Amino acid sequence: GAVVSQHPSRVICKSGTSVKIECRSLDFQATTMFWYRQFPKQSLMLMATSNEGSKATYEQGVEKDKFLINHASLTLSTLTVTSAHPEDSSFYICSAGTSGGGETQYFGPGTRLLVL
Amino acid sequence: QKEVEQDPGPLSVPEGAIVSLNCTYSNSAFQYFMWYRQYSRKGPELLMYTYSSGNKEDGRFTAQVDKSSKYISLFIRDSQPSDSATYLCAMTVANQAGTALIFGKGTTLSVSS
Repeated sequence: GAVVSQHPSRVICKSGTSVKIECRSLDFQATTMFWYRQFPKQSLMLMATSNEGSKATYEQGVEKDKFLINHASLTLSTLTVTSAHPEDSSFYICSAGTSGGGETQYFGPGTRLLVL
Repeated sequence: QKEVEQDPGPLSVPEGAIVSLNCTYSNSAFQYFMWYRQYSRKGPELLMYTYSSGNKEDGRFTAQVDKSSKYISLFIRDSQPSDSATYLCAMTVANQAGTALIFGKGTTLSVSS
């Protein structure tokens, strides 16, 4: 099946620093990649949708200047949390889609971010 | 009112029991209905997806959709300890970027041996 990887799996950083998370589709080309955030015992909340080569579309309430998304190729998207604060601590999960339909989204293993 | 409602549980059952997991939704525009399984500190894994009302079976899993009632279910037969996980329902809807997945909160299931 389709495999999506994320790196790093876990990161701890100081408040005010920036953190970059990579999402890669390993055995398929992803036309669309999605970034989610999941707080403990909460559902996954879509942050943004990115199509290769174009600007990401952010969900309401998500600051695009704080959560920078780059989707430079069909196999790689990055999420950079700029000037991270403790309230940004969360589980960040990416998914990759092949046809743009939600039914073909494959999820990465997630990245746990802890901001001290 | 959230678009997708799911009882978070926890739900505890003995091995071999039939498990019923449910979600309700309010948006008639939802197109696909999926069930994901998520183990602790891992990304969700797609179990099943359906499009139309009715039942869809895959091994010990049966997904059921009732669009008239805006209600979906996942049944697990002969439950195993390895089924212990959080089960998330999700639904797709068109948005400005294409298609979005809207998730329920997830139901935590524990199957004891």
